[in-house]
Amino acid sequence: GENVEQHPSTLSVQEGDSAVIKCTYSDSASNYFPWYKQELGKRPQLIIDIRSNVGEKKDQRIAVTLNKTAKHFSLHITETQPEDSAVYFCAASVEDYKLSFGAGTTVTVRA
Amino acid sequence: EAEVAQSPRYKITEKSQAVAFWCDPISGHATLYWYRQILGQGPELLVQFQDESVVDDSQLPKDRFSAERLKGVDSTLKIQPAELGDSAMYLCASSQSNDNEQFFGPGTRLTVL
Repeated sequence: GENVEQHPSTLSVQEGDSAVIKCTYSDSASNYFPWYKQELGKRPQLIIDIRSNVGEKKDQRIAVTLNKTAKHFSLHITETQPEDSAVYFCAASVEDYKLSFGAGTTVTVRA
Repeated sequence: EAEVAQSPRYKITEKSQAVAFWCDPISGHATLYWYRQILGQGPELLVQFQDESVVDDSQLPKDRFSAERLKGVDSTLKIQPAELGDSAMYLCASSQSNDNEQFFGPGTRLTVL
């Protein structure tokens, strides 16, 4: 089955700086790559996703890049704000829509 | 905005007891998922339904876990008997057919004593 690895496990950044989280996947058939944000005690919420026919996608301060050859994808958050502090999960899915999640990255934005 | 509903939000039980969790997906979502999330880890799929049918339960510990979605709408996940290692957050998610985007419920945090 699909194996998704996520790095780093924790990330502390100064407010206003950028944050980058990287994930690798094992199944070359994976074609859908969502990123979820989970605040303490709350449900995971989709913040951005990318499909395998696209190399980059951007939504305001967040962007995701995908390298299918290397089987890795990354989340970029620019101009970080305190409300960006949360746990971020990457995931990968093949045709059957089953998501395999990474272990998560705890992002702390220092004021 | 429609959301996935789950109950209870918290459950404390003693080992060997039976517990049950309920999920009501977003109206019209044919696909329903149950995940287990151990503290500090990502969600792990336990079972996937398409309407009332199980599509994938390969990671469901079938000796003690069961899940049903009798009318293809809401779903129940049961554990009997509960073990200490079952302590985790149990998340339900739903999606439209043929759509990857999954919407999660608030989860049920289970503590087994």
